[in-house]
Amino acid sequence: GQQLNQSPQSMFIQEGEDVSMNCTSSSIFNTWLWYKQDPGEGPVLLIALYKAGELTSNGRLTAQFGITRKDSFLNISASIPSDVGIYFCAGPGGSYGQNFVFGPGTRLSVLP
Amino acid sequence: EPEVTQTPSHQVTQMGQEVILRCVPISNHLYFYWYRQILGQKVEFLVSFYNNEISEKSEIFDDQFSVERPDGSNFTLKIRSTKLEDSAMYFCASSGDSYNSPLHFGNGTRLTVT
Repeated sequence: GQQLNQSPQSMFIQEGEDVSMNCTSSSIFNTWLWYKQDPGEGPVLLIALYKAGELTSNGRLTAQFGITRKDSFLNISASIPSDVGIYFCAGPGGSYGQNFVFGPGTRLSVLP
Repeated sequence: EPEVTQTPSHQVTQMGQEVILRCVPISNHLYFYWYRQILGQKVEFLVSFYNNEISEKSEIFDDQFSVERPDGSNFTLKIRSTKLEDSAMYFCASSGDSYNSPLHFGNGTRLTVT
């Protein structure tokens, strides 16, 4: 089945710094989703991407659908303490693409 | 903003017992899902449900698991005979009008099997 990899696995940054993380797939996707999960809560949708090359922003967050359709990138500008959490990418999975498969996540820590 | 709600937030049960986890998806959504997350690990797909039937299920979703939409609003996950390794966070999700619409998750039920 589809496999997603995310890098880095974890990162520690200073408040105010920019952050970049990426997600790669073993197969071509037609949709990329980015989620954030806070401790004890469910994943919250940040950005959805539907077209190769698409660049979409949500406040300080920007995500891109890679040209190869096998990768996606998430950038956070001017990080703040509430950016702490786990960031997951997800793409269509299963035999018919009727579910989403999640990457292992990037754990972000923001130091004051 | 509409949201997915799950009950209970925490369920403790003994091995071998049956549990039912409940979810109320977003009201105009058509696709429904259950995922689970073992502590510290990634979010794993269990099952998707559309038009009153299972559309896809993973290897995890064996004969001990079942789903039901008993009325127009609830979506339930039943584990018939719980095992220790079923301990995890179980997330319900729903999505809108097509199969690649983004998933919206509830806050989960933490299941502890003792």
